[in-house]
Amino acid sequence: RKEVEQDPGPFNVPEGATVAFNCTYSNSASQSFFWYRQDCRKEPKLLMSVYSSGNEDGRFTAQLNRASQYISLLIRDSKLSDSATYLCVVTRTSYDKVIFGPGTSLSVIP
Amino acid sequence: DAGITQSPRHKVTETGTPVTLRCHQTENHRYMYWYRQDPGHGLRLIHYSYGVKDTDKGEVSDGYSVSRSKTEDFLLTLESATSSQTSVYFCAISRGSGEAFFGQGTRLTVV
Repeated sequence: RKEVEQDPGPFNVPEGATVAFNCTYSNSASQSFFWYRQDCRKEPKLLMSVYSSGNEDGRFTAQLNRASQYISLLIRDSKLSDSATYLCVVTRTSYDKVIFGPGTSLSVIP
Repeated sequence: DAGITQSPRHKVTETGTPVTLRCHQTENHRYMYWYRQDPGHGLRLIHYSYGVKDTDKGEVSDGYSVSRSKTEDFLLTLESATSSQTSVYFCAISRGSGEAFFGQGTRLTVV
């Protein structure tokens, strides 16, 4: 089983829709979690960290469920500019390698 | 933007030739990573470094070697390039904790 798994999609949603992605991880000792965004043929960039209490940044909400070992990303009121691939990242400690999920592709259509 | 540059940005090489990709940072971050990205596979870790001369293998390290003789430079070498190593290669830097900053990528084609 891979350390980090995501539904590859693609998710095709209309503008204004709400869409949610999940990312599961296999190592219960994992401590840090992040969501990255990658536009086509560009480098990934940090979107947001995922805290135990959950966190929100505008239209984006990230949550962590340690018991079930998954993190989620919710995007409300989708915009065309949200079209990208969303990658989750899990690390076990501050000194451990950074493991990326395979990414979930999102297309927001007019 | 984080001070990280990759060179070259594009390269075409022949099967069997050695190739070295360079990642240079100006941020003095401890951790540096090399990933490859292929359609259907996402980002896969090749090698990483947690300090000068301290490196370790990732999930797809076969056919690759790395060196880090200075904090700012992390080199990825394909000893004898194969067509299966045609890919986009990303370097990343991190202070730790999983927050990473990426270079713009190197597109390598092995013919």
